[in-house]
Amino acid sequence: DTGVSQDPRHKITKRGQNVTFRCDPISEHNRLYWYRQTLGQGPEFLTYFQNEAQLEKSRLLSDRFSAERPKGSFSTLEIQRTEQGDSAMYLCASSPTGGLNGYTFGSGTRLTVV
Amino acid sequence: AQKVTQAQTEISVVEKEDVTLDCVYETRDTTYYLFWYKQPPSGELVFLIRRNSFDEQNEISGRYSWNFQKSTSSFNFTITASQVVDSAVYFCAPPTGGFKTIFGAGTRLFVKA
Repeated sequence: DTGVSQDPRHKITKRGQNVTFRCDPISEHNRLYWYRQTLGQGPEFLTYFQNEAQLEKSRLLSDRFSAERPKGSFSTLEIQRTEQGDSAMYLCASSPTGGLNGYTFGSGTRLTVV
Repeated sequence: AQKVTQAQTEISVVEKEDVTLDCVYETRDTTYYLFWYKQPPSGELVFLIRRNSFDEQNEISGRYSWNFQKSTSSFNFTITASQVVDSAVYFCAPPTGGFKTIFGAGTRLFVKA
């Protein structure tokens, strides 16, 4: 078990470009979560999946954001037409169904929009 | 709506001092859970413990102890004999409906040698 993997670790992009991040959860975890964290703040919930079903999506997630989890394994988070305000750390986490023992987080993808 | 408050933004202590981090969780739920996470300078969030609202006994794990007071909705986290490696941001984080966890703003702890 290698934990939760996120790729890439860092991404610098020009405003207006599209970016896609990948998350590989712990294989036996059914639930997968995406959070966003800006400097000095706690993580903000974006969305989560139970297997391949996206069960909840935050109002923070504008139409430019989309997430998928095909086949209930890895997940991708795409941001279209990036804006400077999208610059943040994007965190992925996973847990078994129930999640009563907390989440396992990945190291995150740091996005910088210039 | 649920609200989690970590009023202490930053705390600075000298090594070997005890330090307590405060968290208040306001909710209409009668039973609930709360998680504590640690985010060291390396950045990766690490799950520390789950506390239950129906258990007001202190929980102790090594130098860490957790206390819940239902009357004030306060979950407190105490580090005894702090060490430099305890320097991190600590988040209290209640899971809400569907086990979507919301995070407080965090308390940054500096432990000086």
